Amino acid sequence: NAGVTQTPKFQVLKTGQSMTLQCAQDMNHNSMYWYRQDPGMGLRLIYYSASEGTTDKGEVPNGYNVSRLNKREFSLRLESAAPSQTSVYFCASTFRTSGSSGELFFGEGSRLTVL
Amino acid sequence: GENVEQHPSTLSVQEGDSAVIKCTYSDSASNYFPWYKQELGKGPQLIIDIRSNVGEKKDQRIAVTLNKTAKHFSLHITETQPEDSAVYFCAATAFPNFGNEKLTFGTGTRLTIIP
Repeated sequence: NAGVTQTPKFQVLKTGQSMTLQCAQDMNHNSMYWYRQDPGMGLRLIYYSASEGTTDKGEVPNGYNVSRLNKREFSLRLESAAPSQTSVYFCASTFRTSGSSGELFFGEGSRLTVL
Repeated sequence: GENVEQHPSTLSVQEGDSAVIKCTYSDSASNYFPWYKQELGKGPQLIIDIRSNVGEKKDQRIAVTLNKTAKHFSLHITETQPEDSAVYFCAATAFPNFGNEKLTFGTGTRLTIIP
């Protein structure tokens, strides 16, 4: 039971470098999300994809782009990394319908450090 | 938008004692209040949730209470055990109209159970 798988788990970048965080889920969920977690700030939504083929901005989208590659995969790209993007990133998914519970299933996180 | 405040930020209790974590929310339209538990090195996991049509919900040693008038809700853990040590997040949203993309998280409480 893989659930939500994120890669890589750890990454160190220099300012200005680019990278992509990968996320895949095997639960046939239709909605996927990217959050960042910073000390004392809880979880903040970066981007989400309510269904395959759609993506929308969350609370803190600046400096990021996303791609919903197919129903299973949702990637997060940093085009020009900045030290302010040092954080732990979580991908999450859920099966969203009008009657669903809305439970989010999270990956184990990707710790990114930008020097 | 919604604002969720969570207290305390850290909490230490003796094994066997009870722990209480409190959250307040600002948007009277919010009607869904989940609690997530995050163990070290893992992603958050839903442990209990409550909707605004009930005042209390229990699941074994865990209970959540909701006071809509005062706009606050609390997590109660009784007979605490070492495996309860984790970071706990409360959250709020108006579900299902807005879905998880409008889920606002609190800043987290690090609970430590002292053997």
